[in-house]
Amino acid sequence: NAGVTQTPKFQVLKTGQSMTLQCAQDMNHEYMSWYRQDPGMGLRLIHYSVGAGITDQGEVPNGYNVSRSTTEDFPLRLLSAAPSQTSVYFCASSRGESLIAGELFFGEGSRLTVL
Amino acid sequence: AQKVTQAQTEISVVEKEDVTLDCVYETRDTTYYLFWYKQPPSGELVFLIRRNSFDEQNEISGRYSWNFQKSTSSFNFTITASQVVDSAVYFCALSGTIQGAQKLVFGQGTRLTINP
Repeated sequence: NAGVTQTPKFQVLKTGQSMTLQCAQDMNHEYMSWYRQDPGMGLRLIHYSVGAGITDQGEVPNGYNVSRSTTEDFPLRLLSAAPSQTSVYFCASSRGESLIAGELFFGEGSRLTVL
Repeated sequence: AQKVTQAQTEISVVEKEDVTLDCVYETRDTTYYLFWYKQPPSGELVFLIRRNSFDEQNEISGRYSWNFQKSTSSFNFTITASQVVDSAVYFCALSGTIQGAQKLVFGQGTRLTINP
């Protein structure tokens, strides 16, 4: 049972480059989200989606784009990477459309370094 | 505003000691949920417990127990007879409505080290 799969696990970028972090889940979850984890700051929500075709911004959306063309996939795009985007990124999904009550299932994380 | 504070940045204890991780939250919602997640050294995040705002019963699961007190806005986590495998970063989280949208807010995390 794959759960939530993130790729790549590690990536090094130069400032100004663009890239996409992939996230796929096989649990038929409606809700998906992206978080970034930085030392001493816990996890902060970047973008989330309550279903295919619907996305919304979280706490720290600047510099990132998302789309949700299918229930399974929720890619995160960095448009022009900056050193401030060096972080560990987690994709998560949850049953139903409600984030409030749902247990989150997390991917293994993607460690991104921007030079 | 929604906020979760885990004042203990790092805790280190010797195996078999009991340890309590503190979590204090702020919210204006009447309906909300509180969570604890564990992040072991391997890096993944694992769900431990969910508690809704209308249920103040304490919960026990093996060596783990949780104490939810609305009067002090706290949701503390206790590990009894700690083991080395309990070493991890533990996150407390609060869900609710922020700027009209449903969101989950995490605390800064507490790094727990259990020494043999």
